[in-house]
Amino acid sequence: QLQLQESGPGLVRPSETLSLTCTVSGGSMTSTDNFWGWIRQPPGKGLEWIGSIYHSGGTYYNPSLYKSRVTISVDTSTKQFSLKLHSVTAADTAIYYCARHYGDDPKDAFDIWGQGTMVTVSS
Amino acid sequence: QSVLTQPPSASGTPGQRVTMSCSGSYSDIGKNYVYWYQQVPGTAPKLLFYKNNQRPSGVPDRFSGSKSGSSASLVISGLRSEDEADYYCAAWDDSLSGWVFGGGTKLTVL
Repeated sequence: QLQLQESGPGLVRPSETLSLTCTVSGGSMTSTDNFWGWIRQPPGKGLEWIGSIYHSGGTYYNPSLYKSRVTISVDTSTKQFSLKLHSVTAADTAIYYCARHYGDDPKDAFDIWGQGTMVTVSS
Repeated sequence: QSVLTQPPSASGTPGQRVTMSCSGSYSDIGKNYVYWYQQVPGTAPKLLFYKNNQRPSGVPDRFSGSKSGSSASLVISGLRSEDEADYYCAAWDDSLSGWVFGGGTKLTVL
């Protein structure tokens, strides 16, 4: 059964770069032709889509929230995809989830989620 | 502020029928499928409905989803205590080329 697991620092200093990795286990990143995405949830608030990537590297980012601050990359050989969020502020404090789109279209919903990792931005 | 509009709370007693709404615009719900997620506090969201009204395996048929124009609804019949959770609607927005979510409805089973 496919599982996703986020990893990375739980504390990031303001103005620095938040870096997270999602490791896929129990299945392939390429055989089922899926998109893979990042979603975050500030404490006590709702869900925000950050961006998504195809296993070949094509990306979609949330333009209204993140513009040039976000980079998502993929390494199918290690079955991992990563998120980098630059120039973070306290507003970037949130639980960060990685998730799989159920198909090969970024319009396909997220059907498998990681457990989430809390990232706090603070000096 | 979320792109899709959901009432912040809903409640019902066991056995009752509860309806939760989700309102959007032409570029999101109007042109694309609606999806619903259930999130029990402290856990990751779980896909509850895909393509407006399709239930993934394991989701009880007490849950039903529908869409009309730029709005959608989630109905839970025969409410149970384990249904207490936050419910989020989501859709792809063609004008943003990205996903938008509702702010979530917190369901309380009294």
